[in-house]
Amino acid sequence: GAVVSQHPSRVICKSGTSVKIECRSLDFQATTMFWYRQFPKQSLMLMATSNEGSKATYEQGVEKDKFLINHASLTLSTLTVTSAHPEDSSFYICSAPGAGQGPKGQFFGPGTRLTVL
Amino acid sequence: SQQGEEDPQALSIQEGENATMNCSYKTSINNLQWYRQNSGRGLVHLILIRSNEREKHSGRLRVTLDTSKKSSSLLITASRAADTASYFCATAKTDSWGKLQFGAGTQVVVTP
Repeated sequence: GAVVSQHPSRVICKSGTSVKIECRSLDFQATTMFWYRQFPKQSLMLMATSNEGSKATYEQGVEKDKFLINHASLTLSTLTVTSAHPEDSSFYICSAPGAGQGPKGQFFGPGTRLTVL
Repeated sequence: SQQGEEDPQALSIQEGENATMNCSYKTSINNLQWYRQNSGRGLVHLILIRSNEREKHSGRLRVTLDTSKKSSSLLITASRAADTASYFCATAKTDSWGKLQFGAGTQVVVTP
């Protein structure tokens, strides 16, 4: 099946720094990718929809200047957490919809655990 | 906001038993999907059921959908220790590019 990778898998940074997370579709093209965050023992919350060649669409309550998304190519979307603070510590997961017609499941990356000290 | 609510929040069973979990949602949907997440990992797509379907099977998985009650159930038969994971339902309003709203999840522990 289709594979989505994320890099890094784990990052620890100091408060105030910016962190970039990459999401790649390895064997298929994804014009759309999704970014989620998941706090411990909670569900996934959709943050934004990443669109290749255009601006990302953010969910209500998500600061677009805080979470910068760039979908530079058909296989790569990046999420940059700017000026990270401890409350940004979370598990960030990206996904891409499967190819083909009709409703389809999504392929998820393995996630990136961000810890802000 | 979360679309789905799931119950139970946690389920502990022994190998060989069946595990049943439920999901309720609030708005109209195009399809409902179930995913599994092992601790600290990404999600794995298990099964998708369309809004005009009532039941679907895949291996040891059986999913039902009742759109009048806005609810779905996932049944795992003859559970195995490897089924230990969190299970999430997710709803999609369209069949285009699959923007999903996830439920709270059910944590399943299967003991040998």
